[in-house]
Amino acid sequence: EVQLVESGGGLIQPGGSLRLSCAASGFTVSSNYMNWVRQAPGKGLEWVSVIYNSGNTYYADSVKGRVTVSRDKSKNTLYLQMNSLRAEDTAVYYCARDTTAAGFFDNWGQGTLVTVSS
Amino acid sequence: SYVLTQSPSVSVAPGKTARIPCGGNNIGSKGVHWYQQKPGQAPVLVIYNDSDRPSGIPERFSGSNSGNTATLTISRVEAGDEADYYCQVWDTDTDHQGVFGGGTKLTVL
Repeated sequence: EVQLVESGGGLIQPGGSLRLSCAASGFTVSSNYMNWVRQAPGKGLEWVSVIYNSGNTYYADSVKGRVTVSRDKSKNTLYLQMNSLRAEDTAVYYCARDTTAAGFFDNWGQGTLVTVSS
Repeated sequence: SYVLTQSPSVSVAPGKTARIPCGGNNIGSKGVHWYQQKPGQAPVLVIYNDSDRPSGIPERFSGSNSGNTATLTISRVEAGDEADYYCQVWDTDTDHQGVFGGGTKLTVL
């Protein structure tokens, strides 16, 4: 069974850093297109980042230069390193798998909440 | 970057048909995907590639895409269909980016 479990969220001060993790089971992270999608409280979904099976990475303009997506093959885990955090980064962060590399997300985790506040 | 536009809300009586539009410039040339999200839950894919349904999604859910509008249609609406619905495309015209519409709240009267 495919499962994605995010962790690492919490309360962080503006300007701080945080690393989110997404532990996968039932499939191999490095063989898939893996995404991060976020949702601010009471708002819609916002795509954040993708890492292709090739290792190529892409980012939303809103986070470019502040966020890095990576993966650990031995742990079968996806990461999102977030730096220079701002209040507007407050959101639930979901990891999502694009099984067919066709640009849609067919497996989602339950999300982890990041709150940026002083 | 590419923009998808959705109406904030749609209301429908049980048993009727709900149509949820998603607008975008020449969206008919792109593959459109739809997600259902209920309060406190992660999104669930209900339609991919304009009109395909993942396994486990009822046949009541269908999609179409042409010109500047894609549409999610839910037939014989049930109370359990009440949720937020998001359209999404993958934009490779300017960069490799996912793009979501703002979402439509479906209310079952």
